[in-house]
Amino acid sequence: LAKTTQPISMDSYEGQEVNITCSHNNIATNDYITWYQQFPSQGPRFIIQGYKTKVTNEVASLFIPADRKSSTLSLPRVSLSDTAVYYCLVGDSLNTNAGKSTFGDGTTLTVKP
Amino acid sequence: DGGITQSPKYLFRKEGQNVTLSCEQNLNHDAMYWYRQDPGQGLRLIYYSQIVNDFQKGDIAEGYSVSREKKESFPLTVTSAQKNPTAFYLCASRWGGLNTGELFFGEGSRLTVL
Repeated sequence: LAKTTQPISMDSYEGQEVNITCSHNNIATNDYITWYQQFPSQGPRFIIQGYKTKVTNEVASLFIPADRKSSTLSLPRVSLSDTAVYYCLVGDSLNTNAGKSTFGDGTTLTVKP
Repeated sequence: DGGITQSPKYLFRKEGQNVTLSCEQNLNHDAMYWYRQDPGQGLRLIYYSQIVNDFQKGDIAEGYSVSREKKESFPLTVTSAQKNPTAFYLCASRWGGLNTGELFFGEGSRLTVL
């Protein structure tokens, strides 16, 4: 299983760009990388998913280097409402334990005014 | 609207009692998951199911049981064998059984053992 490592916490200010990096050194060839956002007492919510290079949607960008051993979630111009826990999730190979989705400990992002 | 419904939202249990948490989805998803979250911690996988009548243990299955008799339902029973069951429980589903799609989560059930 691909274990993930993220910083425990990060602080930022409104309007800044925030980059959260996740390490996954033993990622398998067929694994995708997915990021989720969680507010207190709620279920996580999907942010973005990628396999390689760069993926962008209306809320975030995901940068994945060629070796895929890490990934960076980029949140442009954060606001107070972006204060949450962010999880990096790396799936199992399609050929082994398919479907098992294991979360890491997440990064608590605090956005200050 | 399509989504995942967990019930009850809050549940109190006396030690030694079994309790069952409900999870229903109308998204026509094949895979369903149960996670446990303790205060200030990440999510830990309890059980998951990729198809009806089949399920696998996750990382912390001891003291829990599940069933998957219908595609839309995946109830979790917290048995008296679970020594520290007080936690926030989250159910999720995904189309297909592979990690290439979005996980949809319910609003969670908070279990407190008195």
